[in-house]
Amino acid sequence: GQNIDQPTEMTATEGAIVQINCTYQTSGFNGLFWYQQHAGEAPTFLSYNVLDGLEEKGRFSSFLSRSKGYSYLLLKELQMKDSASYLCAVSFRGSGYSTLTFGKGTMLLVSP
Amino acid sequence: DGGITQSPKYLFRKEGQNVTLSCEQNLNHDAMYWYRQDPGQGLRLIYYSQIVNDFQKGDIAEGYSVSREKKESFPLTVTSAQKNPTAFYLCASSIRGARGTEAFFGQGTRLTVV
Repeated sequence: GQNIDQPTEMTATEGAIVQINCTYQTSGFNGLFWYQQHAGEAPTFLSYNVLDGLEEKGRFSSFLSRSKGYSYLLLKELQMKDSASYLCAVSFRGSGYSTLTFGKGTMLLVSP
Repeated sequence: DGGITQSPKYLFRKEGQNVTLSCEQNLNHDAMYWYRQDPGQGLRLIYYSQIVNDFQKGDIAEGYSVSREKKESFPLTVTSAQKNPTAFYLCASSIRGARGTEAFFGQGTRLTVV
């Protein structure tokens, strides 16, 4: 199956750190993506993990454990503009190509 | 500038009418995808195409049809058979290959059926 789970909502304060978790149950795992989506807009790419470990990119970091089927997105020094939905997406390997399956997204609300 | 263009941004149709959503990309990507997003939900895959003149059903293909006559274009038709067509539709493209690759999204079309 391609069940991808992440929390529905999270709240945090400006300047704080927040961790958004994602668990997946999928065979043919071929990589995991995190996207940010503001209301009414298209998702924008944040990070990609295919090997175990932490990938850091500025205020955003993403971690992957393939054996546990687990990833998290870490956002540091939160800003008001970080209020958005964060989508975890798993690349599923088919017959020589890959497709992306998305979780339902985690709505993050950053307050002053 | 390279990118994906979806048109129109907002679309209204009467119940029972077919409607076609446009998606064009100039990124030279082989793979293209259509997703549907409902309020508070993630993206669900409708159809995808890895190469010209070939496409595959996704998780929720019923009531939809697509064509891929050109590499740059992947239009989606929402037919009258789709029971609940009002939604936000997103088109994406990526480099075709065995490795997972980043999908680039268009700005979306919000379809409202009245």
